[in-house]
Amino acid sequence: GQSLEQPSEVTAVEGAIVQINCTYQTSGFYGLSWYQQHDGGAPTFLSYNALDGLEETGRFSSFLSRSDSYGYLLLQELQMKDSASYFCAVRDWSNTDKLIFGTGTRLQVFP
Amino acid sequence: SQTIHQWPATLVQPVGSPLSLECTVEGTSNPNLYWYRQAAGRGLQLLFYSVGIGQISSEVPQNLSASRPQDRQFILSSKKLLLSDSGFYLCAWRVRNRQQEQYFGPGTRLTVT
Repeated sequence: GQSLEQPSEVTAVEGAIVQINCTYQTSGFYGLSWYQQHDGGAPTFLSYNALDGLEETGRFSSFLSRSDSYGYLLLQELQMKDSASYFCAVRDWSNTDKLIFGTGTRLQVFP
Repeated sequence: SQTIHQWPATLVQPVGSPLSLECTVEGTSNPNLYWYRQAAGRGLQLLFYSVGIGQISSEVPQNLSASRPQDRQFILSSKKLLLSDSGFYLCAWRVRNRQQEQYFGPGTRLTVT
């Protein structure tokens, strides 16, 4: 089977740095995606890592280690608006038209 | 640029009533289209996806159905709603060569009473 594990909740204060982890178990692997979803809103695509290493996009960075079946989303200079749920996702190895999403990590940023 | 529309935004329906949710995408051709459902505080459950007109793959056997009458139109239907059909329904699309980038519509919040 295929599964992704994320912490259910993470808390931090404004201006801090937070890391949201994702470990995956898949028969095969193409890459790891991250999505953000604010309460009441739709998920939005943040990043995709196909290769090992860190990719930076502004305050957000995403890291992947294929050998460890592990990735993380790093949020720097946290702002209140970063309070949201964050989902990692992988392609379904048996059907690459589908994504498998993790259960999500709820990030709460406090002033 | 691409845009995805969903309507209605909210819906309250009695048990046993029919359902029709519509999703349209602008600014792209031949997209893959998806219907997801999300219960409050939970993850995304894939219901249906489509790789082309008239081609529907069902992921969860239930009283819902989907249709794709046009390239950029995806419809979710039910003949008789159940209480368990309540949830946040999301339509999404992706381009063919970016399998892990999906773009979601604003969603429809359905409450079955």
